Amino acid sequence: DVKVTQSSRYLVKRTGEKVFLECVQDMDHENMFWYRQDPGLGLRLIYFSYDVKMKEKGDIPEGYSVSREKKERFSLILESASTNQTSMYLCASSLLSYSRYQETQYFGPGTRLLVL
Amino acid sequence: AQTVTQSQPEMSVQEAETVTLSCTYDTSENNYYLFWYKQPPSRQMILVIRQEAYKQQNATENRFSVNFQKAAKSFSLKISDSQLGDTAMYFCAFMWDNDKIIFGKGTRLHILP
Repeated sequence: DVKVTQSSRYLVKRTGEKVFLECVQDMDHENMFWYRQDPGLGLRLIYFSYDVKMKEKGDIPEGYSVSREKKERFSLILESASTNQTSMYLCASSLLSYSRYQETQYFGPGTRLLVL
Repeated sequence: AQTVTQSQPEMSVQEAETVTLSCTYDTSENNYYLFWYKQPPSRQMILVIRQEAYKQQNATENRFSVNFQKAAKSFSLKISDSQLGDTAMYFCAFMWDNDKIIFGKGTRLHILP
């Protein structure tokens, strides 16, 4: 079974701090994704990566950056945390799709971030 | 431990037909939420419908409705009058403690013209 792990389940940070959220998958997937989930808004894509050192902006990239130095690891970085970044952050991975359909995404357990 | 199972990896129906996607879950929690998400090829996950476990009435959103059977731990999604734009991956999700969430493996739905 695919395993996607996230470094922390809960984080509490102060406004202005730099925050790193780490995600690791063990199935040699090409694609990795970072989402945030907020009540009533569903999942929103922040960034995704389809290969090492490759990244593309999702729907809400402002205030975030990412790093993919190794295939199995995809990091989400909040350069200067703000209170509106308090949310649940979900990482996912999938195989590269060669059709017009998405491959199944496998999700990590999520990181609940609170910015004070 | 919580589990979510979607037993249909892939389904196809003709446009305008009604289709039902199944989802079963296992939990010992009493308070939880259930969701159906849609992921079209554009990649963003879109919340389709949510159900609070304490509510007996099935949630409905326009053409989308659920059949929530709490005792059977079943949470199926019915799409009525299906449209070509409904073609997507559909994920069933279970949330507890207000911040823990797990997803099923998804059902790929094709709406055929």
